Amino acid sequence: DSGVTQTPKHLITATGQRVTLRCSPRSGDLSVYWYQQSLDQGLQFLIQYYNGEERAKGNILERFSAQQFPDLHSELNLSSLELGDSALYFCASSVTGGNTEAFFGQGTRLTVV
Amino acid sequence: SQQGEEDPQALSIQEGENATMNCSYKTSINNLQWYRQNSGRGLVHLILIRSNEREKHSGRLRVTLDTSKKSSSLLITASRAADTASYFCATDAWDTGRRALTFGSGTRLQVQP
Repeated sequence: DSGVTQTPKHLITATGQRVTLRCSPRSGDLSVYWYQQSLDQGLQFLIQYYNGEERAKGNILERFSAQQFPDLHSELNLSSLELGDSALYFCASSVTGGNTEAFFGQGTRLTVV
Repeated sequence: SQQGEEDPQALSIQEGENATMNCSYKTSINNLQWYRQNSGRGLVHLILIRSNEREKHSGRLRVTLDTSKKSSSLLITASRAADTASYFCATDAWDTGRRALTFGSGTRLQVQP
């Protein structure tokens, strides 16, 4: 158990809908990362937050947004969903971000039908 | 874009043999990390090597880093069937003014018993 909790584990939704994925980082970790993993795209970095502020942005679509709350949990919002958004979405956390190892949650498997 | 790229994409060996995976990256890095992923699960951190280090060991794992060639290798000695997984390198680097941890596409390792 990495200590990073992601909910829900599985999500099935229709095209055009909006979903929210939630991540609780390890106790004491200030940095949260979001990644998307699909079969043909590998592990894509989406966005990173550190202590409530956006720190780095990767290949995140405009339809996607995220935030980190004062209690350090994070949410990833996906809207106007398309079939191609079906993937595993991982959250990871680390103490400071970058200079230390990242601990991954078990992921949320999103299926868009 | 992907910072690190692993090679080979897939590797199949017999139990007891050594497995070597390579990672190449494009920009200067702060550190390089290797992760393992069992099918459909979260990634697990294996080892972190800083940019001023050339070699690091952890149990049956040996990682080398050549910053002049912008490459790293992961060696797993005396492989076991339980080592079957995907292995990813991740680079901690500055990208467009922000520091981010980005992953390669991974090497799928199959260890035959």
